[in-house]
Amino acid sequence: DIQMTQSPSSLSASVGDRVTITCRASQTIDTYLNWYQQKPGKAPKLLIYIASTLQSGAPSRFSGSGSGTDFSLTISSLQPEDFGNYFCQQTYSVPWTFGQGTKVQF
Amino acid sequence: QLQLQESGSGLVESSQTLSLTCAVSGGSITNSHSWSWIRQSPGKDLEWIGHIFPSGGTYYNPSLKSRAIMSVDRSQNQFSLKLTSVTAADTAVYYCARASAVRDSGGYSMCYFDFWGQGTLVTVSS
Repeated sequence: DIQMTQSPSSLSASVGDRVTITCRASQTIDTYLNWYQQKPGKAPKLLIYIASTLQSGAPSRFSGSGSGTDFSLTISSLQPEDFGNYFCQQTYSVPWTFGQGTKVQF
Repeated sequence: QLQLQESGSGLVESSQTLSLTCAVSGGSITNSHSWSWIRQSPGKDLEWIGHIFPSGGTYYNPSLKSRAIMSVDRSQNQFSLKLTSVTAADTAVYYCARASAVRDSGGYSMCYFDFWGQGTLVTVSS
């Protein structure tokens, strides 16, 4: 199985901060990497797919980059509604796997 | 707007079979998308369970040791999950999701989950 490791596990930031979350795959996954945001008690919501493509309706302050084994999700200017958990996911090979999550709090 | 809604047994006895259905509304289970089940344990880890393609072909997570079975009912516009021989470790919130895909240069599908159900809690009792 491909292991997905996110860092940090949690972070505290202020409104307006630039925030970056990283995700590392245990083997190369090309750009088969997706990012999701999850609020408490809600289903995950797609933010970025294929490493850097912004999902329709997702705010433009979210961006993704990377290929191979190292990826990042950046929030250019953190907004109050951005609190929650963020997960990366690889769909390069079965079983598709998720990172353990990064909790963004204020 | 596409919507997915999980339903099924919320409480299952240990060693029995968990059965869930995902009803799709606002769109059709067509031949252009595929569908997955994902679960999330009370901690927060997300675990992909399995996937069913328009052809009816399936992928399952080997960690489930062949206990998962997925199917699609196009007449009812829904798909289902059965998980046999459940234990307490199967207690989780279960999500259904639609997968969309982009073809890479080699023709392989790069999948991502663009629509999710709200999730349903399944508790396994001993």
